[in-house]
Parts: sequence; C-alpha cells; structure tokens
Amino acid sequence: DTEVTQTPKHLVMGMTNKKSLKCEQHMGHRAMYWYKQKAKKPPELMFVYSYEKLSINESVPSRFSPECPNSSLLNLHLHALQPEDSALYLCASSQVRLTGNTIYFGEGSWLTVV
Amino acid sequence: GNSVTQMEGPVTLSEEAFLTINCTYTATGYPSLFWYVQYPGEGLQLLLKATKADDKGSNKGFEATYRKETTSFHLEKGSVQVSDSAVYFCALSNNQGGKLIFGQGTELSVKP
Repeated sequence: DTEVTQTPKHLVMGMTNKKSLKCEQHMGHRAMYWYKQKAKKPPELMFVYSYEKLSINESVPSRFSPECPNSSLLNLHLHALQPEDSALYLCASSQVRLTGNTIYFGEGSWLTVV
Repeated sequence: GNSVTQMEGPVTLSEEAFLTINCTYTATGYPSLFWYVQYPGEGLQLLLKATKADDKGSNKGFEATYRKETTSFHLEKGSVQVSDSAVYFCALSNNQGGKLIFGQGTELSVKP
C-alpha cells in the first residue's frame, strides 16, 4: 500500500492564525518531505526529514515550522502567513534519501491565506 | 548543475491519438528519471521511472526510455484517452539525497 495521507484537504486561515498541516505514512519510510506547489507550476521542495531529523531546509521563512514526531508522522506548523503563501502543500515520503528511490506524494492540503 | 526541460504545453489531442511529451535533462553522473502525473485537484502520482541508461519504464500504456546519449526521457502513449487529461512532470534525482528536480510540467488535454 503506497499511501501518504494528508489532513486537512482544505484550510482557510487568517494572517494572524496558527494552524497545522498533518501527514502520515505507514510504509515504513524513513524520509519525509514537504513541498509547496503553486498553480500550474512544479512542486518546490521546502523541508526533508531523514530518520526523524531535519536534513534539508530550503531557506524557508520561519513562519513555516516543520516537525517530525515519529517515523510515520510529519507536521507543518503555520503562523503569521501571508496571502502569497496560499498554495497546495504536498507531503511525500521515500524509503530513504537515495537517488533512485521513489518518492510517494499525498493528495495535498489546499491552503488559502486571507 | 542538474536540470530538466520539458516541452511546453498545453497539448491538446483527440482521443486515440499518439502522445509524445519530450523531456531532456542535464546532470553529471547517472541520475534516476521519473514521470509523475497530476490529475486536476489531486497530488502527484508516480507514473513510471528508470534508474539506468537504456531502461524502459512503463505503466498504464505509457512508456519512456532512459537515453543517456541524447540525455532524454520522452513520454509516449500509443492511444490516449480522455481520462489521461492531466499535467505531466518529468523529474530527476541525482546524488542530492533523493531530492527531485522537476521540469515545468506539460498540461495534456484529450478531447472525445
């Protein structure tokens, strides 16, 4: 079963709100990723966790805060976002961080900042 | 550095037409190559992949062959269906800890 589950599917938040996006996988994968995708553009990598430790932060603003509580879960905490942060946020996972390993994506969380 | 270039869309075809979406890459060494598909309102799904030169990936009637001599990984399907309407992304992974480098995406629209 190659499934990455993301909640919520849709989120509307104000610029002063604090919210979180959640991601779960039960494939035993040890690498997990957050991507951001704007309409009609390719996904952009934000963060990578490997064995529950943050491995890559692609210079993402601090208003986005990732967390990996265990090997199956990945959260993205959102605070003081801007309207331009409205996008599709995709969680993904792979067995490990190696060239050739397939990265499996979830359905995404559609975020609107008002 | 690593990069992927895809043919620009949108591509509009009639049902049962032959599909080719061109993808070329720049990379040192031996990258792995992927095609992902994104249906409207959904996340990305792996369509097929190839991890070494001359490998052919195939799935759901789609095929792509890893051509190192032309640094290409073109996606083909012999007879498209309306349900194939989606955005297709070519991507590579190359010694960057599994990081995917995406092309710009090609939007395909298949008309009945």
